[in-house]
Amino acid sequence: ELKVEQNPLFLSMQEGKNYTIYCNYSTTSDRLYWYRQDPGKSLESLFVLLSNGAVKQEGRLMASLDTKARLSTLHITAAVHDLSATYFCAVVPWAGNTDKLIFGTGTRLQVFP
Amino acid sequence: DSGVTQTPKHLITATGQRVTLRCSPRSGDLSVYWYQQSLDQGLQFLIQYYNGEERAKGNILERFSAQQFPDLHSELNLSSLELGDSALYFCASSAYSREGEQFFGPGTRLTVL
Repeated sequence: ELKVEQNPLFLSMQEGKNYTIYCNYSTTSDRLYWYRQDPGKSLESLFVLLSNGAVKQEGRLMASLDTKARLSTLHITAAVHDLSATYFCAVVPWAGNTDKLIFGTGTRLQVFP
Repeated sequence: DSGVTQTPKHLITATGQRVTLRCSPRSGDLSVYWYQQSLDQGLQFLIQYYNGEERAKGNILERFSAQQFPDLHSELNLSSLELGDSALYFCASSAYSREGEQFFGPGTRLTVL
């Protein structure tokens, strides 16, 4: 059964600093997604990563995928308060004809002045 | 706004009762997914429908059932409710594409007293 782990679970960082969130998954997959969730709100799609070596950037966030290592990273550059939220990675299992998402535990990011 | 709508936004009910959650996917999306988010279980896939047919089942209890109608809207029925069913229930939809990106609705917060 596919398992998805994120670390850290909680991240408190100062504005202007850089940090990386890690997402590991246990079985083969070629599709990985990053979502953002504000407290009590829905999930907002950030990135879709479809192949080994894929890298995508949007503003201060950059996501990458290494399918051989079964690892994705979400890098935050020069954090600002508006980035405070919970970030989830989600993976689609390789086998079968379903696109169900298996979510990681989430990383709660808090950016302070 | 993702284009996915869910009703109601909030639902408060008693143990043993039955409720129905409704979801309308984005225009043109044939796939509908249901997810449950709770503090102890995190985000879990429940069930997927594609163009009216059940495509995949996750950790969905026997007390729960779902269907997708010809107009593609979907309903999730929860019966014999227990305190532990209190959670945020999300519906998501996706188009048939390589990316398979899922767009989430605002969610229904269910409280069982």
